[in-house]
Amino acid sequence: QKEVEQNSGPLSVPEGAIASLNCTYSDRVSQSFFWYRQYSGKSPELIMSIYSNGDKEDGRFTAQLNKASQYVSLLIRDSQPSDSATYLCAVMRGNQFYFGTGTSLTVIP
Amino acid sequence: DTEVTQTPKHLVMGMTNKKSLKCEQHMGHRAMYWYKQKAKKPPELMFVYSYEKLSINESVPSRFSPECPNSSLLNLHLHALQPEDSALYLCASSPTSGSLREQFFGPGTRLTVL
Repeated sequence: QKEVEQNSGPLSVPEGAIASLNCTYSDRVSQSFFWYRQYSGKSPELIMSIYSNGDKEDGRFTAQLNKASQYVSLLIRDSQPSDSATYLCAVMRGNQFYFGTGTSLTVIP
Repeated sequence: DTEVTQTPKHLVMGMTNKKSLKCEQHMGHRAMYWYKQKAKKPPELMFVYSYEKLSINESVPSRFSPECPNSSLLNLHLHALQPEDSALYLCASSPTSGSLREQFFGPGTRLTVL
């Protein structure tokens, strides 16, 4: 079983819609959870981080964490074409970060 | 300042060359990382330094040699690479304490081995 699993997509949503990205992880002792956005040819950019159960909102982004279900999600409200990218879920345990394979999101104008 | 810098941005080298990649951060982070990323794949961990000591080596071939001269700098020395080593090499740093130890990436070095 992989440490972190994501639906690879591609996920397409119309402009202005809500994009929902999901991630599950295998190890209950995982401590912190992160969402990175990566444009083609660029490095990953941290957009959200969360370590306690519940929701965390930052602008158009909401991260949701459910440790009992070992599930973390990212909601992007009012999706824009500039949100089109690959979104990487990452889980921190100890001194290591474990990455999912990424979900490719396309926002259609 | 959440900036990690990397030089060079691009590097083309032959299989007999020796070159080095450099990474610098001034956020006071005491954990630094090297990742390798191929197209359409997630970053693949190579090395982790914690307090300037190598703490994780993910069975990386010896043609890659990391070095951490001080708490702000991280180097990756390259020697006798293979064409399959062509990739985006990413440096990252994070704090070593606290509940939310966010990891920040540099812009990467695009390496091509001929």
